Amino acid sequence: EDKVVQSPLSLVVHEGDTVTLNCSYEVTNFRSLLWYKQEKKAPTFLFMLTSSGIEKKSGRLSSILDKKELFSILNITATQTGDSAVYLCAVGSSGTYKYIFGTGTRLKVLA
Amino acid sequence: DGGITQSPKYLFRKEGQNVTLSCEQNLNHDAMYWYRQDPGQGLRLIYYSQIVNDFQKGDIAEGYSVSREKKESFPLTVTSAQKNPTAFYLCASSLKAGAYEQYFGPGTRLTVT
Repeated sequence: EDKVVQSPLSLVVHEGDTVTLNCSYEVTNFRSLLWYKQEKKAPTFLFMLTSSGIEKKSGRLSSILDKKELFSILNITATQTGDSAVYLCAVGSSGTYKYIFGTGTRLKVLA
Repeated sequence: DGGITQSPKYLFRKEGQNVTLSCEQNLNHDAMYWYRQDPGQGLRLIYYSQIVNDFQKGDIAEGYSVSREKKESFPLTVTSAQKNPTAFYLCASSLKAGAYEQYFGPGTRLTVT
């Protein structure tokens, strides 16, 4: 059965810290991996990683995909209180149009 | 202003009543999706539609129904057959189905008592 596991479940850090969020997966015929930030309501798209795009960076956020070890990490440097949110990872496989979501990592950044 | 809208934001219903949640997008996306989010669980796919007049069951379709008569609209009906309907419902769309990022609406919180 396909599955996506995120760790840690929750994390509390102080402003300025660097955090690393993990997403490991077991899917048949991996196609792509998505990262989202969910603050209160709608998840906001962050990155998409595929076989042809295994590293992404935007400002203080960056993500890499390790297709051999079947995981991805989301890095946030110099964290700010506005980074407090639940971070979701989703993985899609070829032959299906759906994504499987992990349960998320709840990040709280203290001032 | 492009985006996805869902209405209403909050919905309260009595057990045994059907209820329809609205989802509209003006992004000109072909594919649309309905997810359910419960505390401590990942988003679970209810239904998806690759193109107008077509839709497919997701992982938890029992007790739900959808229609896709227009490209912009993908309403979800929660029927009385759904055993645990109280949840947060999210609608999403993507340019096409497959390896494309999905964009989410603000969600509808449904409470059934």
